[in-house]
Amino acid sequence: GGIITQTPKFLIGQEGQKLTLKCQQNFNHDTMYWYRQDSGKGLRLIYYSITENDLQKGDLSEGYDASREKKSSFSLTVTSAQKNEMAVFLCASSIPTVSNERLFFGHGTKLSVL
Amino acid sequence: GDSVTQTEGQVALSEEDFLTIHCNYSASGYPALFWYVQYPGEGPQFLFRASRDKEKGSSRGFEATYDKGTTSFHLRKASVQESDSAVYYCALGSLSGSFNKLTFGAGTRLAVCP
Repeated sequence: GGIITQTPKFLIGQEGQKLTLKCQQNFNHDTMYWYRQDSGKGLRLIYYSITENDLQKGDLSEGYDASREKKSSFSLTVTSAQKNEMAVFLCASSIPTVSNERLFFGHGTKLSVL
Repeated sequence: GDSVTQTEGQVALSEEDFLTIHCNYSASGYPALFWYVQYPGEGPQFLFRASRDKEKGSSRGFEATYDKGTTSFHLRKASVQESDSAVYYCALGSLSGSFNKLTFGAGTRLAVCP
């Protein structure tokens, strides 16, 4: 089996601050994802990457940047934190070649902006 | 675009009650359908999937049947336990190039009282 590790678990930032979230996976999966989870809104895709150095925008990419310098890692940057923003950011990975293959998720990073 | 609707935002049951969580989808083509479960403090984890009409997916006593006619994939369990308390997400998946696009519903929070 494998695991997805997200750091930090909790992130507190100030309005306007640039904040970076990190994700590591040891499944050796090609595709990695960042989702944002808000209460009552489900999971929304921010960025995904199908291989090292590839980046693709999801439905919610505005206000975020991403980086995939190694196959095993995928980072997400909040470019300017919004006051009172509170959400959980979930990293996931999968094998891209099968249309109904499942995603494996990390435990999330909970962001609070003061 | 693709969408998933979960009718119930919250469900409260007693142990041994019957559970139904409704899921309806809208998509072009023939998407794969999934249920994911998220326990407190963890990321969502795959429960099961179905890929074709009338196929039944099941795991841990939960089951759902793919119904293309009513565009539904309702989650059912005959007798819930307190340990089933979690958030349940219905999702549809489609392959876009080499990318597994998962569209999630808003989630249903299940609380089971002993």
